[in-house]
Amino acid sequence: QKEVEQNSGPLSVPEGAIASLNCTYSDRGSQSFFWYRQYSGKSPELIMFIYSNGDKEDGRFTAQLNKASQYVSLLIRDSQPSDSATYLCAVWDSNSGYALNFGKGTSLLVTP
Amino acid sequence: IAGITQAPTSQILAAGRRMTLRCTQDMRHNAMYWYRQDLGLGLRLIHYSNTAGTTGKGEVPDGYSVSRANTDDFPLTLASAVPSQTSVYFCASSGSPGNSPLHFGNGTRLTVT
Repeated sequence: QKEVEQNSGPLSVPEGAIASLNCTYSDRGSQSFFWYRQYSGKSPELIMFIYSNGDKEDGRFTAQLNKASQYVSLLIRDSQPSDSATYLCAVWDSNSGYALNFGKGTSLLVTP
Repeated sequence: IAGITQAPTSQILAAGRRMTLRCTQDMRHNAMYWYRQDLGLGLRLIHYSNTAGTTGKGEVPDGYSVSRANTDDFPLTLASAVPSQTSVYFCASSGSPGNSPLHFGNGTRLTVT
C-alpha cells in the first residue's frame, strides 16, 4: 500500500480567502493525481485531476503538481462557505495499476 | 441519469447473516471497485474488477467476495457478517484503470450488530 499523506485539519479560512490543501505521496512512479471533495454523509466527488508537473486551473480551483518533490496541492480561491468539506487526495498505484490510493482527507471550514 | 446506483442505501444486519450490496453502472466503464470508508482510516479498497469476467483483491478483501458477470453489475457479498464490517461502502467505476478518475456511487451505510 503506497502512502498518500494529508494533514487532517481542520483547516479554517475566512470567506473570500485562498485555501491551500497539501498532499504528499510515496510512489515515485505515479503519473495520475486527483482531488475529490466529500461533504459529510455524501460520496466523494471529483473536482480536479492533474497528470503533468505544474499548475492546472479550473474556475476557482488550481491543482499544483511537483513530481520531483512528490507533492500535489489544491488551491481554492475566493473560498465560500459551500466549500466546507473534506478534500481527498488520490494517487494511482504505479505498480499494481489497479489501486487508486486515497489520503485520509483534509477537513476545510470556510467561515462567513 | 447516468452514473452508479447502489442499493440498499442503508442496512442493519445481524452478525452471521449473509448480505449482498448491489452496484450497477450505466457508463459502460470497464473497471469497477468496492471501497469501505471508516472514520480515521479513510477509503480502503476491498475488491476490484478491471473488466467483465475478472476480479482481484484489494487492501482489505477478507470476509468479502465479488463477481463481475457483465460490464454493468458488480455485487459485493458478505458471507457471514461481523461487527467489524460496519462501515460505509462505496462502489466506483473508471473508464481506464491506472489513468482515469473514479466515479462513485452514493454509498451503502451498513451496521452489523
